[in-house]
Amino acid sequence: QQQVKQSPQSLIVQKGGISIINCAYENTAFDYFPWYQQFPGKGPALLIAIRPDVSEKKEGRFTISFNKSAKQFSLHIMDSQPGDSATYFCAASAGTALIFGKGTTLSVSS
Amino acid sequence: SAVISQKPSRDICQRGTSLTIQCQVDSQVTMMFWYRQQPGQSLTLIATANQGSEATYESGFVIDKFPISRPNLTFSTLTVSNMSPEDSSIYLCSVQQGQNTEAFFGQGTRLTVV
Repeated sequence: QQQVKQSPQSLIVQKGGISIINCAYENTAFDYFPWYQQFPGKGPALLIAIRPDVSEKKEGRFTISFNKSAKQFSLHIMDSQPGDSATYFCAASAGTALIFGKGTTLSVSS
Repeated sequence: SAVISQKPSRDICQRGTSLTIQCQVDSQVTMMFWYRQQPGQSLTLIATANQGSEATYESGFVIDKFPISRPNLTFSTLTVSNMSPEDSSIYLCSVQQGQNTEAFFGQGTRLTVV
């Protein structure tokens, strides 16, 4: 399967800090880039998504930055809260199924 | 949105046996997929479930091992056949209403093969 590379594998952030997770892709046919949040024992749930015609999308405390020329995109979580502690997956699609990154386990310490 | 009911939620099975996992959606959807997620790992696409025709499998997954049915737009099954301990994983059903739209996931089936 075409790869989406995600880093870091794990992240510890103080409450109120900024969490940043990065992803990179190779397939230029990808045209949809969502981020999913997963809590233990649950299926992933959509957090925010972007298409390559924009460079940034913000929803509340969550922002996606997209760099089409570098084939990279990132998730920024502002004012991180303990309730944000979860696993985050970036993904990409060319109109069919999602291809997921390996995931980042975020722990927000209070 | 779409609400997915996946059954069973978990099972412990003997090696060599088969388990069929059901995925029921509360509305008609165009796209249904099956993923595997090993504990602490990412989601790997097994196949696209096609309504009324054979599923489309990803590299490394074959129909004899993972037969899939999709008789209508709201229901699909995945069978894990002739199981071995290496099949122990979480299996997830996912649906989308169209291309590049939100994907909804079931809560998954946690399978342990002993």
